[in-house]
Amino acid sequence: NAGVTQTPKFRILKIGQSMTLQCTQDMNHNYMYWYRQDPGMGLKLIYYSVGAGITDKGEVPNGYNVSRSTTEDFPLRLELAAPSQTSVYFCATANSGQPQHFGDGTRLSIL
Amino acid sequence: KNQVEQSPQSLIILEGKNCTLQCNYTVSPFSNLRWYKQDTGRGPVSLTIMTFSENTKSNGRYTATLDADTKQSSLHITASQLSDSASYICVVSPMDSNYQLIWGAGTKLIIKP
Repeated sequence: NAGVTQTPKFRILKIGQSMTLQCTQDMNHNYMYWYRQDPGMGLKLIYYSVGAGITDKGEVPNGYNVSRSTTEDFPLRLELAAPSQTSVYFCATANSGQPQHFGDGTRLSIL
Repeated sequence: KNQVEQSPQSLIILEGKNCTLQCNYTVSPFSNLRWYKQDTGRGPVSLTIMTFSENTKSNGRYTATLDADTKQSSLHITASQLSDSASYICVVSPMDSNYQLIWGAGTKLIIKP
């Protein structure tokens, strides 16, 4: 029972490159979320999904894209990476009204 | 603007001592308030969740309180242990959004032996 698994754990990108952050869950939760956590700041919601085939923008969606083709997977795509996207990215899952369960994050540096 | 502010930013206490962390929020109306613990290099883990009508919620040595009139919450840790060293984050869920949580920046707690 792995819970929420994020890969990779660390990544360094050059400006303008693209990549996909993977998130997979085995908890059968309907809701999935992508957050970014910057030093000294609260988590900011990038995108969320209430079920397979349904996604919506959060507070800071610019520069990112998501898809939700299955209940288990919710990948986050960065196109044209910029230094401002250097951050720690967390994926979380939940059922309605319940606390969110988080993965251990992907630490991303854009140089 | 919906905001959650936590104090202190950081705190160092000796093992075995008690401590209280503060959370002030401007989110109104809200449906629930949550406290999370985040170990270094890990994702946040839920400690407590209180609806707007609850005053207190305990989870082992952790006790959260809520005063909806003054828009304040506190997290009290009793008989601290080295494993309590972590960041503690206050999170408020606005009533008008099922998905958008307002996260505080956290209090970094260090327990020294």
